[in-house]
Amino acid sequence: GAGVSQSPSNKVTEKGKDVELRCDPISGHTALYWYRQRLGQGLEFLIYFQGNSAPDKSGLPSDRFSAERTGESVSTLTIQRTQQEDSAVYLCASSLLAGGSKNIQYFGAGTRLSVL
Amino acid sequence: DQQVKQNSPSLSVQEGRISILNCDYTNSMFDYFLWYKKYPAEGPTFLISISSIKDKNEDGRFTVFLNKSAKHLSLHIVPSQPGDSAVYFCAASGNDYKLSFGAGTTVTVRA
Repeated sequence: GAGVSQSPSNKVTEKGKDVELRCDPISGHTALYWYRQRLGQGLEFLIYFQGNSAPDKSGLPSDRFSAERTGESVSTLTIQRTQQEDSAVYLCASSLLAGGSKNIQYFGAGTRLSVL
Repeated sequence: DQQVKQNSPSLSVQEGRISILNCDYTNSMFDYFLWYKKYPAEGPTFLISISSIKDKNEDGRFTVFLNKSAKHLSLHIVPSQPGDSAVYFCAASGNDYKLSFGAGTTVTVRA
């Protein structure tokens, strides 16, 4: 597609439920990233995928969070047993180059997650 | 540990005047710096970047200045226009894939 696509755009869930967020990166981009933005804060790195390499999961806040990516396409971020502190905007980005100069990441519009 | 800091959460400027946004970083391994612009309900959009081998990069109304010794960069918007009203994020990376972001500065351009 023309840009990074995320779905759903908004998700309201009850505490304790599982949620799944989807990201379609720009075609041809080998690198894919998930970030979280809490209200009034900057973007917080969660996880990174690059080709067939093992993902960097160092930013995942707890074992309730997991993510998968199918080849160099769609990625899903799953949050199990959601808590109120998981409420945030979850942003996905993709890039053509995965390091060094010109690592320009292109973002989707995000999924706004509200845990009641 | 906040490695990139934007100490001004908001900035109000009159249309036609200059907007100056500031950003400080702590990690001396950062060698590439970016500015993103974000409108409500949209994802951040890449605006302009600078490599550490330069101290200035200009693109139309937008100029980014880098002072490596002070670990400081700034974004100048001249002249400011109403469409520039948005949240601006400073980001930095080293020789890897991670971008570290500041908390953002909300710019309001007054008519």
